[in-house]
Amino acid sequence: GNSVTQMEGPVTLSEEAFLTINCTYTATGYPSLFWYVQYPGEGLQLLLKATKADDKGSNKGFEATYRKETTSFHLEKGSVQVSDSAVYFCALSDPFSGGYNKLIFGAGTRLAVHP
Amino acid sequence: KAGVTQTPRYLIKTRGQQVTLSCSPISGHRSVSWYQQTPGQGLQFLFEYFSETQRNKGNFPGRFSGRQFSNSRSEMNVSTLELGDSALYLCASSGNQGRGKQETQYFGPGTRLLVL
Repeated sequence: GNSVTQMEGPVTLSEEAFLTINCTYTATGYPSLFWYVQYPGEGLQLLLKATKADDKGSNKGFEATYRKETTSFHLEKGSVQVSDSAVYFCALSDPFSGGYNKLIFGAGTRLAVHP
Repeated sequence: KAGVTQTPRYLIKTRGQQVTLSCSPISGHRSVSWYQQTPGQGLQFLFEYFSETQRNKGNFPGRFSGRQFSNSRSEMNVSTLELGDSALYLCASSGNQGRGKQETQYFGPGTRLLVL
């Protein structure tokens, strides 16, 4: 079945450091891939998405490229801020085996950024 | 546009009781999905409703049910509550019209349920 694996946290960085959070997936069809962010006490916010191979999603300085050959969608940011501290979730939807609105999530990676 | 709203935000119940949670989607959105978030199991898909019909279902027991009204508002119900049902329940809406196009799901703040 479909699944998402992301690196375990917590990830602790100093402000202005480079961020990478790894995400790999298994899917039977041609999934869309997403990164969501969850701030304390809140729901999920879509950070970026990519719907086909080689697409790059980007938002607020974050980027991720849909790599079909390595089944990966790693999240990167060149210079993190304290305000980026949150939990980040990688997710997929596979219309061929789950439908567009059935998201499969990774376990989440907690990011803590210190001044 | 107002975002997805969920009520109540917090709820405490005891084992054996039942509970109903409500979700109002973004205006114009016809798809509502529900997710359960727990520290042990993470985020898991419960079900999706579209135009008052359940369109997709996750692997949860029959104690978990839902419905959608003609104004797209949705409710989920959990009967005979168990301690393990303590979780954050999130709903998400999207404008997906079934035309084969991936649209963004927008999440509400969640309802935190504690079962004692």
